[in-house]
Amino acid sequence: QQQVKQSPQSLIVQKGGISIINCAYENTAFDYFPWYQQFPGKGPALLIAIRPDVSEKKEGRFTISFNKSAKQFSLHIMDSQPGDSATYFCAASIEYSGGSNYKLTFGKGTLLTVNP
Amino acid sequence: DVKVTQSSRYLVKRTGEKVFLECVQDMDHENMFWYRQDPGLGLRLIYFSYDVKMKEKGDIPEGYSVSREKKERFSLILESASTNQTSMYLCASQFLRGYEQYFGPGTRLTVT
Repeated sequence: QQQVKQSPQSLIVQKGGISIINCAYENTAFDYFPWYQQFPGKGPALLIAIRPDVSEKKEGRFTISFNKSAKQFSLHIMDSQPGDSATYFCAASIEYSGGSNYKLTFGKGTLLTVNP
Repeated sequence: DVKVTQSSRYLVKRTGEKVFLECVQDMDHENMFWYRQDPGLGLRLIYFSYDVKMKEKGDIPEGYSVSREKKERFSLILESASTNQTSMYLCASQFLRGYEQYFGPGTRLTVT
């Protein structure tokens, strides 16, 4: 099963609040879990990523929490700012071609709006 | 900085036309990818390539083909465009054995 399920589809948060986006997967062969951020008119860009041997990774206001047994991971944005308003995609990476090359399966995205 | 460029930001084509979308990366990446992005459906992989002249089908290859004659360039071809191919098309590149993908700005294709 190659799917990555992401929720919610959209999220509205007040400035200073916490934004939480959740993802779940089925395939235990996934071995790298990135989050991508996309602003209008731009391509997605890597925001933060985690490997399954770690339960949490923090970079500034952005934290990934990873629950391997539940096959779930989430993005937390602390002190959310209007500049964080964007579409966020979770993804999971799997090896292909037997040569240590990796491709991504993306969730369907969450449109985050942070109100001032 | 990695730069992935796509030949057009906006493109309008008629049903039945042959459409070429071009992608160029300047970081000597081995792997390149084509996705389409639709509201509520996220990014779906069309085709990818991990070497010159090599190609692999992604999740939704029907109606598309690709060409990779040079390492830095990956082209997506719509042999006979249809209205259901109206979408945002994103190209990405990646180092061999790397995890991160670097995306271009996208081409918004409208087929009328």
